[in-house]
Amino acid sequence: AQSVAQPEDQVNVAEGNPLTVKCTYSVSGNPYLFWYVQYPNRGLQFLLKYITGDNLVKGSYGFEAEFNKSQTSFHLKKPSALVSDSALYFCAVRDVGGSYIPTFGRGTSLIVHP
Amino acid sequence: KAGVTQTPRYLIKTRGQQVTLSCSPISGHRSVSWYQQTPGQGLQFLFEYFSETQRNKGNFPGRFSGRQFSNSRSEMNVSTLELGDSALYLCASGTLAGASLNTQYFGPGTRLTVL
Repeated sequence: AQSVAQPEDQVNVAEGNPLTVKCTYSVSGNPYLFWYVQYPNRGLQFLLKYITGDNLVKGSYGFEAEFNKSQTSFHLKKPSALVSDSALYFCAVRDVGGSYIPTFGRGTSLIVHP
Repeated sequence: KAGVTQTPRYLIKTRGQQVTLSCSPISGHRSVSWYQQTPGQGLQFLFEYFSETQRNKGNFPGRFSGRQFSNSRSEMNVSTLELGDSALYLCASGTLAGASLNTQYFGPGTRLTVL
Protein backbone atom coordinates (compact mmCIF):
# COMPACT_ATOMS: atom_id res chain seq x y z
CA ALA A 1 0.00 0.00 0.00
CA GLN A 2 1.10 3.55 -0.60
CA SER A 3 0.42 6.63 1.47
CA VAL A 4 1.47 10.23 1.74
CA ALA A 5 1.35 12.61 4.69
CA GLN A 6 1.44 16.38 4.84
CA PRO A 7 1.88 16.96 8.57
CA GLU A 8 0.97 20.65 8.53
CA ASP A 9 -2.54 21.84 7.69
CA GLN A 10 -1.27 25.39 7.40
CA VAL A 11 2.08 27.10 6.96
CA ASN A 12 2.52 30.81 7.58
CA VAL A 13 5.51 32.71 6.25
CA ALA A 14 6.41 36.34 5.70
CA GLU A 15 6.95 37.60 2.18
CA GLY A 16 10.60 37.39 1.21
CA ASN A 17 11.36 34.59 3.66
CA PRO A 18 12.11 31.02 2.59
CA LEU A 19 9.24 28.57 2.74
CA THR A 20 9.02 24.82 3.24
CA VAL A 21 5.95 22.63 2.85
CA LYS A 22 6.52 19.14 4.18
CA CYS A 23 5.62 15.81 2.63
CA THR A 24 6.50 12.27 3.68
CA TYR A 25 5.51 9.12 1.85
CA SER A 26 5.34 5.39 2.16
CA VAL A 27 5.58 2.93 -0.70
CA SER A 28 6.68 -0.66 -0.93
CA GLY A 29 8.93 -0.02 -3.92
CA ASN A 30 10.32 3.15 -5.45
CA PRO A 31 8.22 6.31 -5.56
CA TYR A 32 7.08 8.71 -8.20
CA LEU A 33 6.44 11.98 -6.34
CA PHE A 34 4.54 15.08 -7.37
CA TRP A 35 3.63 18.51 -6.08
CA TYR A 36 0.52 20.38 -7.21
CA VAL A 37 -0.86 23.79 -6.24
CA GLN A 38 -4.51 24.78 -6.10
CA TYR A 39 -5.65 28.38 -6.12
CA PRO A 40 -9.17 29.27 -4.88
CA ASN A 41 -11.93 28.04 -7.20
CA ARG A 42 -9.38 26.58 -9.58
CA GLY A 43 -8.18 23.12 -10.47
CA LEU A 44 -4.76 21.77 -9.56
CA GLN A 45 -1.67 23.01 -11.32
CA PHE A 46 1.42 20.85 -11.70
CA LEU A 47 4.53 22.22 -9.99
CA LEU A 48 7.15 19.50 -10.23
CA LYS A 49 7.80 15.77 -10.12
CA TYR A 50 10.47 13.30 -9.13
CA ILE A 51 10.78 10.16 -11.19
CA THR A 52 14.44 9.28 -10.98
CA GLY A 53 17.83 10.94 -11.10
CA ASP A 54 18.87 14.11 -9.32
CA ASN A 55 17.39 14.36 -5.84
CA LEU A 56 16.85 18.10 -6.21
CA VAL A 57 13.99 18.82 -8.58
CA LYS A 58 13.28 22.29 -9.89
CA GLY A 59 9.78 23.24 -10.94
CA SER A 60 7.48 26.05 -11.88
CA TYR A 61 7.33 29.50 -10.26
CA GLY A 62 10.71 29.11 -8.53
CA PHE A 63 9.72 26.09 -6.47
CA GLU A 64 11.98 23.13 -5.88
CA ALA A 65 11.77 19.90 -3.91
CA GLU A 66 14.33 17.55 -2.50
CA PHE A 67 13.84 13.81 -2.62
CA ASN A 68 15.28 12.15 0.48
CA LYS A 69 15.02 8.39 0.30
CA SER A 70 16.35 7.66 3.79
CA GLN A 71 13.82 10.02 5.37
CA THR A 72 11.09 9.15 2.82
CA SER A 73 10.46 12.84 2.34
CA PHE A 74 9.82 15.18 -0.56
CA HIS A 75 9.60 18.67 0.93
CA LEU A 76 8.64 21.61 -1.25
CA LYS A 77 10.81 24.72 -0.93
CA LYS A 78 11.18 28.21 -2.26
CA PRO A 79 13.98 30.62 -1.32
CA SER A 80 11.83 33.75 -1.21
CA ALA A 81 8.05 33.59 -0.74
CA LEU A 82 5.61 35.84 -2.55
CA VAL A 83 2.12 36.83 -1.41
CA SER A 84 0.88 35.30 -4.66
CA ASP A 85 2.23 31.90 -3.54
CA SER A 86 -0.63 31.72 -1.03
CA ALA A 87 -2.61 28.64 -2.04
CA LEU A 88 -3.29 25.00 -1.20
CA TYR A 89 -0.42 22.61 -1.92
CA PHE A 90 -0.78 18.90 -2.53
CA CYS A 91 1.87 16.20 -2.49
CA ALA A 92 1.13 12.96 -4.36
CA VAL A 93 2.86 9.61 -4.62
CA ARG A 94 2.70 6.52 -6.76
CA ASP A 95 4.55 3.28 -6.21
CA VAL A 96 6.60 2.59 -9.34
CA GLY A 97 6.01 -1.11 -9.15
CA GLY A 98 2.47 -0.92 -7.90
CA SER A 99 -0.86 0.51 -8.90
CA TYR A 100 -1.13 3.32 -11.41
CA ILE A 101 -3.46 5.07 -8.99
CA PRO A 102 -1.89 8.10 -7.30
CA THR A 103 -2.43 8.90 -3.63
CA PHE A 104 -2.69 12.55 -2.64
CA GLY A 105 -1.91 14.17 0.68
CA ARG A 106 -4.62 16.13 2.49
CA GLY A 107 -3.10 19.41 1.40
CA THR A 108 -1.27 22.23 3.16
CA SER A 109 -2.57 25.78 3.09
CA LEU A 110 0.30 28.19 2.56
CA ILE A 111 -0.30 31.75 3.71
CA VAL A 112 2.30 34.35 2.82
CA HIS A 113 1.95 37.56 4.79
CA PRO A 114 2.99 40.91 3.28
CA LYS B 1 -3.81 25.91 -26.74
CA ALA B 2 -7.08 25.74 -24.80
CA GLY B 3 -6.94 24.10 -21.39
CA VAL B 4 -9.11 21.40 -19.89
CA THR B 5 -12.74 22.46 -19.77
CA GLN B 6 -15.41 21.07 -17.49
CA THR B 7 -19.13 21.62 -17.69
CA PRO B 8 -21.14 22.59 -15.85
CA ARG B 9 -19.08 24.50 -13.29
CA TYR B 10 -21.77 24.35 -10.65
CA LEU B 11 -24.61 21.91 -10.13
CA ILE B 12 -27.27 21.43 -7.48
CA LYS B 13 -29.14 18.16 -7.27
CA THR B 14 -31.31 16.35 -4.75
CA ARG B 15 -30.77 12.95 -3.20
CA GLY B 16 -31.70 10.06 -5.44
CA GLN B 17 -31.17 11.95 -8.67
CA GLN B 18 -28.43 11.23 -11.13
CA VAL B 19 -25.92 13.60 -12.67
CA THR B 20 -23.60 13.68 -15.66
CA LEU B 21 -20.45 15.78 -15.73
CA SER B 22 -18.44 16.52 -18.84
CA CYS B 23 -14.75 17.03 -19.45
CA SER B 24 -13.01 18.12 -22.63
CA PRO B 25 -9.27 17.46 -22.53
CA ILE B 26 -6.52 19.51 -24.06
CA SER B 27 -6.34 18.96 -27.78
CA GLY B 28 -4.19 15.94 -28.53
CA HIS B 29 -4.49 14.47 -25.05
CA ARG B 30 -5.92 10.97 -24.97
CA SER B 31 -5.90 10.32 -21.22
CA VAL B 32 -8.62 11.67 -18.95
CA SER B 33 -8.70 11.09 -15.21
CA TRP B 34 -11.40 12.02 -12.73
CA TYR B 35 -10.93 12.95 -9.08
CA GLN B 36 -13.26 13.76 -6.22
CA GLN B 37 -12.20 16.47 -3.77
CA THR B 38 -13.94 16.87 -0.42
CA PRO B 39 -12.89 18.57 2.82
CA GLY B 40 -13.16 15.29 4.71
CA GLN B 41 -11.52 12.82 2.33
CA GLY B 42 -9.25 15.12 0.38
CA LEU B 43 -8.46 14.34 -3.22
CA GLN B 44 -9.36 10.84 -4.34
CA PHE B 45 -8.86 9.16 -7.69
CA LEU B 46 -12.05 7.96 -9.36
CA PHE B 47 -11.00 6.50 -12.70
CA GLU B 48 -8.92 7.02 -15.80
CA TYR B 49 -9.75 6.58 -19.45
CA PHE B 50 -7.39 6.26 -22.35
CA SER B 51 -8.46 5.78 -25.95
CA GLU B 52 -12.05 5.08 -24.85
CA THR B 53 -11.00 2.34 -22.42
CA GLN B 54 -11.10 2.52 -18.65
CA ARG B 55 -7.52 1.87 -17.55
CA ASN B 56 -7.65 2.38 -13.81
CA LYS B 57 -10.37 2.64 -11.21
CA GLY B 58 -10.32 3.96 -7.67
CA ASN B 59 -12.22 2.63 -4.69
CA PHE B 60 -15.67 4.07 -5.37
CA PRO B 61 -19.05 2.32 -5.53
CA GLY B 62 -20.62 1.29 -8.81
CA ARG B 63 -22.86 4.37 -8.73
CA PHE B 64 -19.88 6.22 -10.13
CA SER B 65 -19.22 5.47 -13.77
CA GLY B 66 -17.69 7.10 -16.77
CA ARG B 67 -16.92 6.84 -20.40
CA GLN B 68 -14.72 8.37 -23.03
CA PHE B 69 -15.64 9.20 -26.59
CA SER B 70 -13.59 8.88 -29.74
CA ASN B 71 -12.70 12.59 -29.57
CA SER B 72 -11.28 11.98 -26.05
CA ARG B 73 -14.04 13.92 -24.34
CA SER B 74 -15.16 12.17 -21.20
CA GLU B 75 -18.29 12.06 -19.11
CA MET B 76 -18.73 10.97 -15.54
CA ASN B 77 -22.07 9.81 -14.20
CA VAL B 78 -23.22 9.44 -10.63
CA SER B 79 -26.53 7.68 -10.06
CA THR B 80 -28.73 7.69 -6.97
CA LEU B 81 -27.00 10.70 -5.49
CA GLU B 82 -26.23 10.80 -1.78
CA LEU B 83 -25.46 13.79 0.41
CA GLY B 84 -21.86 12.58 0.68
CA ASP B 85 -21.41 12.95 -3.05
CA SER B 86 -21.28 16.71 -2.64
CA ALA B 87 -17.77 17.58 -3.79
CA LEU B 88 -15.58 19.27 -6.32
CA TYR B 89 -15.07 16.90 -9.22
CA LEU B 90 -11.85 17.48 -11.08
CA CYS B 91 -10.88 16.21 -14.48
CA ALA B 92 -7.30 15.98 -15.68
CA SER B 93 -5.92 15.22 -19.10
CA GLY B 94 -2.58 13.91 -20.22
CA THR B 95 -0.78 12.51 -23.19
CA LEU B 96 -0.04 9.05 -21.86
CA ALA B 97 -1.90 6.33 -20.06
CA GLY B 98 -1.15 5.77 -16.41
CA ALA B 99 -2.69 8.31 -14.07
CA SER B 100 0.52 9.67 -12.71
CA LEU B 101 3.20 8.64 -15.14
CA ASN B 102 2.90 11.86 -17.01
CA THR B 103 2.16 15.45 -16.17
CA GLN B 104 -1.54 15.94 -15.77
CA TYR B 105 -3.38 19.14 -16.58
CA PHE B 106 -6.40 19.80 -14.44
CA GLY B 107 -9.64 21.54 -15.28
CA PRO B 108 -11.34 24.03 -12.95
CA GLY B 109 -13.72 21.41 -11.63
CA THR B 110 -17.45 20.98 -11.28
CA ARG B 111 -18.89 21.85 -7.87
CA LEU B 112 -21.70 19.40 -7.14
CA THR B 113 -24.03 20.06 -4.25
CA VAL B 114 -26.51 17.38 -3.23
CA LEU B 115 -29.45 18.53 -1.13
